Amino acid sequence: NAGVTQTPKFQVLKTGQSMTLQCAQDMNHEYMSWYRQDPGMGLRLIHYSVGAGITDQGEVPNGYNVSRSTTEDFPLRLLSAAPSQTSVYFCASSYFTGSDTQYFGPGTRLTVL
Amino acid sequence: AQSVTQLDSHVSVSEGTPVLLRCNYSSSYSPSLFWYVQHPNKGLQLLLKYTSAATLVKGINGFEAEFKKSETSFHLTKPSAHMSDAAEYFCVVSEANFGNEKLTFGTGTRLTIIP
Repeated sequence: NAGVTQTPKFQVLKTGQSMTLQCAQDMNHEYMSWYRQDPGMGLRLIHYSVGAGITDQGEVPNGYNVSRSTTEDFPLRLLSAAPSQTSVYFCASSYFTGSDTQYFGPGTRLTVL
Repeated sequence: AQSVTQLDSHVSVSEGTPVLLRCNYSSSYSPSLFWYVQHPNKGLQLLLKYTSAATLVKGINGFEAEFKKSETSFHLTKPSAHMSDAAEYFCVVSEANFGNEKLTFGTGTRLTIIP
């Protein structure tokens, strides 16, 4: 049981490049979400999903896309990277809802030059 | 709309003394409240949660929190600090929204333990 895994751990992009941050869980959780963590701002919700085929926007969705084709995977796509997207990104999952215990991945540290 | 305010960005205590991390919340409905801990360069881990059962909630590693609706507070306490408690702590609120619950995080409190 690997829990929540995220790849890559570190990434450096140039402005305008695109990339996908991967997130997978093997706990059969329905609820998955993406957060970004910036100094002094806590974690802010980017997008979330309550099950395969269902996604919704969080607090800071602009510049990011998600899809949920399977229960296990919830990739986050940066369409055209900007320096403002430099951050640490965390994926989390839980059984059904946000009120259930969230299990967090180890994070991806992204730098956009 | 829901929100969370962590009243201290940094708290320092001596090893063996009590810990108090303060959190106030705002919610239109009956909220669920959580404390998560993040050790350096790690993901977050749940310490404890309140979901409308007992107002005094006990968590892992000797931490507990009391839900006070009249004060809209959910402060985290521990009787005796240990060096391993040094970490960042986040107070979190979740408000039911037709099943699509979103979490709102506070800005965090960094706890330093002085030997």
